[in-house]
Amino acid sequence: AQSVTQLDSHVSVSEGTPVLLRCNYSSSYSPSLFWYVQHPNKGLQLLLKYTSAATLVKGINGFEAEFKKSETSFHLTKPSAHMSDAAEYFCVVSGLLGGSQGNLIFGKGTKLSVKP
Amino acid sequence: GAVVSQHPSRVICKSGTSVKIECRSLDFQATTMFWYRQFPKKSLMLMATSNEGSKATYEQGVEKDKFLINHASLTLSTLTVTSAHPEDSSFYICSAAGLADLAKNIQYFGAGTRLSVL
Repeated sequence: AQSVTQLDSHVSVSEGTPVLLRCNYSSSYSPSLFWYVQHPNKGLQLLLKYTSAATLVKGINGFEAEFKKSETSFHLTKPSAHMSDAAEYFCVVSGLLGGSQGNLIFGKGTKLSVKP
Repeated sequence: GAVVSQHPSRVICKSGTSVKIECRSLDFQATTMFWYRQFPKKSLMLMATSNEGSKATYEQGVEKDKFLINHASLTLSTLTVTSAHPEDSSFYICSAAGLADLAKNIQYFGAGTRLSVL
């Protein structure tokens, strides 16, 4: 069975400082992994995805994540936080690799606050 | 990119009434739509998966007679919460995907519907 654990429910950083949102996954096979962002009153937006190609994945808005199989981690980072990055972030693992259902399993989310 | 519209964004209803939530794919054909429920400070929980023209597949523990799902066209799916009660109050989110999207595990999400049952 697949599962994903987001280690921090809330992360607070100052504008211009690095962002690290932690995610660990459990999967019986090589999974597809995603990070989604949810701004208030808006739909979930895909930031980036890992699908067994390069282990360092670059996404939108300057975010990137590194797949580390030995640590079963897929942490999300950004070198310099912007006020507009304040949102809820979800780490997601696919339920079936390439399966027709496309089932996604969500972590509990990490709320990112950015202080001026 | 693909856009999914969900309506209404917020609804307040009396206990015992039914509420319908619409999910539309605006610029692509969604062969599959998903309905999620999000509790406060918790992750999204998949309620059901619907394929156009077929009956929805419900996840374990989700009452299909309580949460009626219709996916009559490639651009519209509806979720009806029947005889709503306060415990049904939650944030409901839909997502949609075409065939090619599913192969890549990609879903496009609506903005969600906040349901409050008094």
